[in-house]
Amino acid sequence: QVQLQESGPGLVKPSETLSLTCTVSGGSISSYYWSWIRQPAGKGLEWIGRIYTSGSTNYNPSLKSRVTMSVDTSKNQFSLKLSSVTAADTAVYYCARGDFDPIDGLFRFDPWGQGTLVTVSS
Amino acid sequence: QSVLTQPPSVSGAPGQRVTISCTGSSSNIGAGYDVHWYQQLPGTAPKLLIYGNSNRPSGVPDRFSGSKSGTSASLAITGLQAEDEADYYCQSYDSSLSGSLWVFGGGTKLTVL
Repeated sequence: QVQLQESGPGLVKPSETLSLTCTVSGGSISSYYWSWIRQPAGKGLEWIGRIYTSGSTNYNPSLKSRVTMSVDTSKNQFSLKLSSVTAADTAVYYCARGDFDPIDGLFRFDPWGQGTLVTVSS
Repeated sequence: QSVLTQPPSVSGAPGQRVTISCTGSSSNIGAGYDVHWYQQLPGTAPKLLIYGNSNRPSGVPDRFSGSKSGTSASLAITGLQAEDEADYYCQSYDSSLSGSLWVFGGGTKLTVL
């Protein structure tokens, strides 16, 4: 079955850019929307944005000015860049497939990666 | 402050039934958008529990059920078991003049007494 794995630096300095990659295995990245979702310690989930395999993107309006997503279908990967980070961006970052199922037409975020902790600190 | 409101915590004894509410508004649940539920066991990633308001993915026990009415949704767990102790999140879609995005509830911690 499809599995996702996040990778990237676990420590980023304030004002710098956070960069993460999600590698999809067990299936093709093509023809689906892929999302990034984050969770600060002890808090709830926040959707950051999504990208289609064509490169089309949608971002959370509250983060839109700082977020860039990209996709590399040849590597079955998609990526997140979050600029001008502060301590408030410290969180576990998850990648997930979030799309309408082609058979039942219903949406869900499934599957999810295991998550990667990114700490913003000098 | 989450767009979808959940109680911070619920509890129940083994074998009992508990429900977790998820209250939205006219720009999300009340607008007809589906509600989905995720279970997050300690130290793990969220896992899809209910999708499309009331559908269970393969492998999810029928002890878990979901429903939706008006601007709210509920997750019910019957025959409570120790392994059900986890955080539960509802999720929907919100569309307003401020923009459109997928939104989550603040999460509910289920304690099995």
